[in-house]
Amino acid sequence: AQSVTQPDIHITVSEGASLELRCNYSYGATPYLFWYVQSPGQGLQLLLKYFSGDTLVQGIKGFEAEFKRSQSSFNLRKPSVHWSDAAEYFCAVDSGGSNYKLTFGKGTLLTVNP
Amino acid sequence: EPEVTQTPSHQVTQMGQEVILRCVPISNHLYFYWYRQILGQKVEFLVSFYNNEISEKSEIFDDQFSVERPDGSNFTLKIRSTKLEDSAMYFCATGGYAEAFFGQGTRLTVV
Repeated sequence: AQSVTQPDIHITVSEGASLELRCNYSYGATPYLFWYVQSPGQGLQLLLKYFSGDTLVQGIKGFEAEFKRSQSSFNLRKPSVHWSDAAEYFCAVDSGGSNYKLTFGKGTLLTVNP
Repeated sequence: EPEVTQTPSHQVTQMGQEVILRCVPISNHLYFYWYRQILGQKVEFLVSFYNNEISEKSEIFDDQFSVERPDGSNFTLKIRSTKLEDSAMYFCATGGYAEAFFGQGTRLTVV
């Protein structure tokens, strides 16, 4: 069965600093990979996704993620964090196909200090 | 930007009562999903729905749960007899092929 691990439960960064959120997955083939963000009281918003092709994908709000098959990782990065980026971030994997059955990680809570 | 709308945003119900959670999908979406997130735990897949029938469901989605599109627009999740452990945030998602957009969720509290 597929699984997703987000090793960091809580990360604190200063505004303007760079950010990397880690995600490791377990799946036999090449999965579809996603990052979602959840702000307090809000739903899950898709930041970016990887299906195939270029392993570096660009998303909304200045985020990017890199798929590394050898490390089974899909880490999320942002060069300069803004206070509005404070939220919970979820990595998810899908086995592919038309059925959007996502397996989520436990999430990483991001705090941004001024 | 089109969005998925869920109602109510918060529902409190007594154990054993039936609840219906509602979702208005983005128009022209064909795939519908329910997920839930128990406080402090992962977001978990419950069920997917396509062409007016369940296409896949998880172990969580037992006989107490049902889904339907009663009027061709709303997509509902019914829990027949709620238990304390059903307390969670329930997310509806709708989409096309290999994509999905999530609603803001309904927080269900069973007392």
